[in-house]
Amino acid sequence: QQKVQQSPESLTVSEGAMASLNCTFSDGTSNNFRWYRQHSAKGLEVLVSIFSDGEKEEGRFTAHLNRANLHVSLHIREPQPSDSAVYLCAVPNNNNAPRFGAGTKLSVKP
Amino acid sequence: EAAVTQSPRNKVAVTGGKVTLSCNQTNNHNNMYWYRQDTGHGLRLIHYSYGAGSTEKGDIPDGYKASRPSQENFSLILELATPSQTSVYFCASGLVGTDNERLFFGHGTKLSVL
Repeated sequence: QQKVQQSPESLTVSEGAMASLNCTFSDGTSNNFRWYRQHSAKGLEVLVSIFSDGEKEEGRFTAHLNRANLHVSLHIREPQPSDSAVYLCAVPNNNNAPRFGAGTKLSVKP
Repeated sequence: EAAVTQSPRNKVAVTGGKVTLSCNQTNNHNNMYWYRQDTGHGLRLIHYSYGAGSTEKGDIPDGYKASRPSQENFSLILELATPSQTSVYFCASGLVGTDNERLFFGHGTKLSVL
């Protein structure tokens, strides 16, 4: 079963500065990694899905996957106050339900 | 856009009481999931289902039952609620597909057990 860790637990950045979030996992044999965003105890929305090692960009959101290093990251370019939310990584788990990290709480200051 | 509806949105229950959380999806997705979210733990998987009549145990199934009577509906049942089950519960649905399929989430049910 996948073990998922996210860092940092919380992050504060100024509007316009790059925000970088990290996620490590224990089993890198599968693909299909995703980043979700959650605003204030609401449902989650998927931001980026990445299916192979390398980089995947979706607008201002870029995911980097390195399965050999058991690491996937999310970079948010030019973050805005509306990006303040909790970000969760979801990792595959042996053809089973995805497992989530505990999340990074991002605050973007104007 | 896929639609997942949870009810109730908020629930206060007494210790030892029975609680049923309901989830309905109109996406015709085969897979449905129940997670709970607690500070410091993120989303933890309780039960999931591959289709009508199927239920599978997740990582923390103790104290919970699940029921999938139809493609559209998936319920989470707490037969004897305890204060440790105070949490926010999320239901999700997904297409049958590859591992870690994209999930569509409801808005959550906040449960307080007193």
